[in-house]
Amino acid sequence: DTEVTQTPKHLVMGMTNKKSLKCEQHMGHRAMYWYKQKAKKPPELMFVYSYEKLSINESVPSRFSPECPNSSLLNLHLHALQPEDSALYLCASSPVRGSSGNTIYFGEGSWLTVV
Amino acid sequence: GDSVTQMEGPVTLSEEAFLTINCTYTATGYPSLFWYVQYPGEGLQLLLKATKADDKGSNKGFEATYRKETTSFHLEKGSVQVSDSAVYFCALSDPRGYQKVTFGTGTKLQVIP
Repeated sequence: DTEVTQTPKHLVMGMTNKKSLKCEQHMGHRAMYWYKQKAKKPPELMFVYSYEKLSINESVPSRFSPECPNSSLLNLHLHALQPEDSALYLCASSPVRGSSGNTIYFGEGSWLTVV
Repeated sequence: GDSVTQMEGPVTLSEEAFLTINCTYTATGYPSLFWYVQYPGEGLQLLLKATKADDKGSNKGFEATYRKETTSFHLEKGSVQVSDSAVYFCALSDPRGYQKVTFGTGTKLQVIP
């Protein structure tokens, strides 16, 4: 069972809507991630937060806005998305550093459809 | 840069057949290696991992050995079940602690009764 919880599981939104994806973990991890996964492709890294600060932004368009309110929560705010943004959005967490080599644990994902 | 190469799928096997999914990597230093599994409609689950050369990761009957000399981390299972049908991703992480994981393209496994 995953210990990274994502809501909602499914989201349909219009191109003018504002919505948010939410993620929560209680493993004490201080690194949290957003990935985007298109069908039949591996996950693509979007953002990394380390100690609640944004440490990596993989040149993601500004219509995606991440937020890390505390060490357990991670949000992804969505605004003015395009149909091509439809995908599975995966949240993940890991220790910041460690001998286990940054093992990343994923949530079940949020399926986003932009209409 | 770092990269992971997996065998092309889909792989179709009969139940109880032996499974091998090949994975090779290119990396500077000594990466940690992982196999993730993604069942239809779900997120990624960590299947197994190995953090140094000659380590063997194992879980649910799956095994993979970190082979530094051949830069490989092949996934094996002695007898697959229909419930093993999924997409399998090989991945590596930078040991320096930078939070980037490099994934292979994934291999779809279909097990038929």
